[in-house]
Amino acid sequence: AQTVTQSQPEMSVQEAETVTLSCTYDTSESDYYLFWYKQPPSRQMILVIRQEAYKQQNATENRFSVNFQKAAKSFSLKISDSQLGDAAMYFCAYRRGLGGSQGNLIFGKGTKLSVKP
Amino acid sequence: GAGVSQSPRYKVAKRGQDVALRCDPISGHVSLFWYQQALGQGPEFLTYFQNEAQLDKSGLPSDRFFAERPEGSVSTLKIQRTQQEDSAVYLCASSTGLLPYGYTFGSGTRLTVV
Repeated sequence: AQTVTQSQPEMSVQEAETVTLSCTYDTSESDYYLFWYKQPPSRQMILVIRQEAYKQQNATENRFSVNFQKAAKSFSLKISDSQLGDAAMYFCAYRRGLGGSQGNLIFGKGTKLSVKP
Repeated sequence: GAGVSQSPRYKVAKRGQDVALRCDPISGHVSLFWYQQALGQGPEFLTYFQNEAQLDKSGLPSDRFFAERPEGSVSTLKIQRTQQEDSAVYLCASSTGLLPYGYTFGSGTRLTVV
């Protein structure tokens, strides 16, 4: 069975600084997708960034980028120029590379990010 | 609608009471998922629908949990004889079913069993 581990229950960053959130996963499959979701107090999961396992290039979305190390099964999220609005719970998630969207997401336990003004 | 709508937003139930949680997905979204998120944890998969067919219910924790989506749109998660360990946020997500990503989540229902 696939598992996702986030070893940092809480992280803190100064506004405008850079922070990296860690995620490791375990799978025997070669085709899969990885995601970082943000969950603010409103509880709605918001997609931050995704990575297809078959792509070697690390995904980037504005201030958010990932460091995807497939052999090490590591998928860290880097947030640059942190803003107060980035404060939230962040979840790393895994999805099997099935056809269509039948596969469910497997989530880590999350990292609570605080941003200091 | 523009997003996934869940109701009620909060529900307090006495132990032993039956509850029904509603999810109204984005119009036209074929796939619908239910997740359970205990306090301080990540969401855990409960069940999956493709249109009205429940294709995977392997995550339902007991036979007290039942989900349906009779017309392939609105879904209801029912919990019978609620117990304290059922206290959690229940999240619903939907997608078009065309891609292995592109999920839209609702804001969940926070269930507290007292």
